[in-house]
Amino acid sequence: AQSVTQPDIHITVSEGASLELRCNYSYGATPYLFWYVQSPGQGLQLLLKYFSGDTLVQGIKGFEAEFKRSQSSFNLRKPSVHWSDAAEYFCAVGDDKLIFGTGTRLQVFP
Amino acid sequence: AAGVIQSPRHLIKEKRETATLKCYPIPRHDTVYWYQQGPGQDPQFLISFYEKMQSDKGSIPDRFSAQQFSDYHSELNMSSLELGDSALYFCASSLRGFNSYEQYFGPGTRLTVT
Repeated sequence: AQSVTQPDIHITVSEGASLELRCNYSYGATPYLFWYVQSPGQGLQLLLKYFSGDTLVQGIKGFEAEFKRSQSSFNLRKPSVHWSDAAEYFCAVGDDKLIFGTGTRLQVFP
Repeated sequence: AAGVIQSPRHLIKEKRETATLKCYPIPRHDTVYWYQQGPGQDPQFLISFYEKMQSDKGSIPDRFSAQQFSDYHSELNMSSLELGDSALYFCASSLRGFNSYEQYFGPGTRLTVT
C-alpha cells in the first residue's frame, strides 16, 4: 500500500539553526515526491518536487530535499531557518492523487 | 500569476443541509482534485477530474458528488451534511496533459456544520 510517514510530529528550532524534516514513503513504482508548506488556516504551497534525475532538488524559500531510493526517504532541509518558516510541513507522494504524511509542525524560537 | 480560486472561502451550514463548493483551476490546467482536511489532519483525497471526466475516486461519501464543467471549473456538492463534514476543503489543479504532476492548491473552503 502507498503511504508516507513523517516521524516527527513537532520540531522546535532556534532561528538561524539548520533544519531537517524527515519523510519516508512506500510506493510501488518510481515515486513523484513533493513537499508542501501550510501556514495556519491557509492553503498548501508547493516547496519542491522530485520526479527524476538529480536526487538533490532545490525549492523555494531556500529549501532543498534529497531523494534516497535505498532508504525510501525524501528529507527536507534548510541551512538556516527564519522565524517566518514556522508552519506545518507535509510530505506527499503520487503521480495523480496525492498521499500526504501526517505533517510536521515547525516552531521557530528567536 | 493566476492561482486556483475557491469559493466561498467560508461556509456555515446546519446538519442535513446541502452545500456547493466551487473551484476555478489555473488557466489551461486540465485536471482538478478535491481534498478534505479535518482539524489537525493531513489532506485526504476525495475525487479528481481530467478533461471533464472523473479520473479517480478516493474516500468520498456517497452523499457527496462532483463534476467538472466545460470551462474546467469544478463543483463539489455535499448533501445531508453531518457534523463530521466540518473541514477545510481544498481544490488543486494540474496540467496532466503535459505530464506535469505538480498540483497547485487553492486557499480552501472552510465548511462548518452546526
